[in-house]
Amino acid sequence: KAGVTQTPRYLIKTRGQQVTLSCSPISGHRSVSWYQQTPGQGLQFLFEYFSETQRNKGNFPGRFSGRQFSNSRSEMNVSTLELGDSALYLCASSLELGTDTQYFGPGTRLTVL
Amino acid sequence: TQLLEQSPQFLSIQEGENLTVYCNSSSVFSSLQWYRQEPGEGPVLLVTVVTGGEVKKLKRLTFQFGDARKDSSLHITAAQTGDTGLYLCAGAYAGNNRKLIWGLGTSLAVNP
Repeated sequence: KAGVTQTPRYLIKTRGQQVTLSCSPISGHRSVSWYQQTPGQGLQFLFEYFSETQRNKGNFPGRFSGRQFSNSRSEMNVSTLELGDSALYLCASSLELGTDTQYFGPGTRLTVL
Repeated sequence: TQLLEQSPQFLSIQEGENLTVYCNSSSVFSSLQWYRQEPGEGPVLLVTVVTGGEVKKLKRLTFQFGDARKDSSLHITAAQTGDTGLYLCAGAYAGNNRKLIWGLGTSLAVNP
């Protein structure tokens, strides 16, 4: 089976712009979670989608949003980018919601200038 | 506030040496997971420990969960260059494995 894929792998944006990141889960997996990883804060949970509905949400501002499509693919959007949004954004998929093992993608490296 | 403290932050050793890395917290977790992350990749789950005092072995890696379920350790025997990577621990509260509390990781370099 193919693993979790994320596109693009690298992205450079300037402050104030918006960005959309994409994640394709492992075939058959219905849950997709998003994380932000920075050297100072480590991994922080953004949100989880299951059956096209957001089921869990971390403590991030409303500038961070996401959605999931009927084929389980997910997108994450960040509006009005700030310098502090520079990070590795990781997507993880799992078969079911909540307690199942997560499989991470390689991430999208976002740099905000 | 970082609820899971990992130590050491960096570790550089020679191939064949043994090492232990630690993951400590003042919180009690229902389970704790260990991941390894290689450059340019996402974290890969190594093991989940659930019971206080539990010891799990994965080839040369030994994981232990503290009796009080607040801390954990990872011991690697006869390290190999392929063990190089960032080792992350993550604690889960009962009923919700998504809002994991992550440590910042131990960056391990095993030199030939």
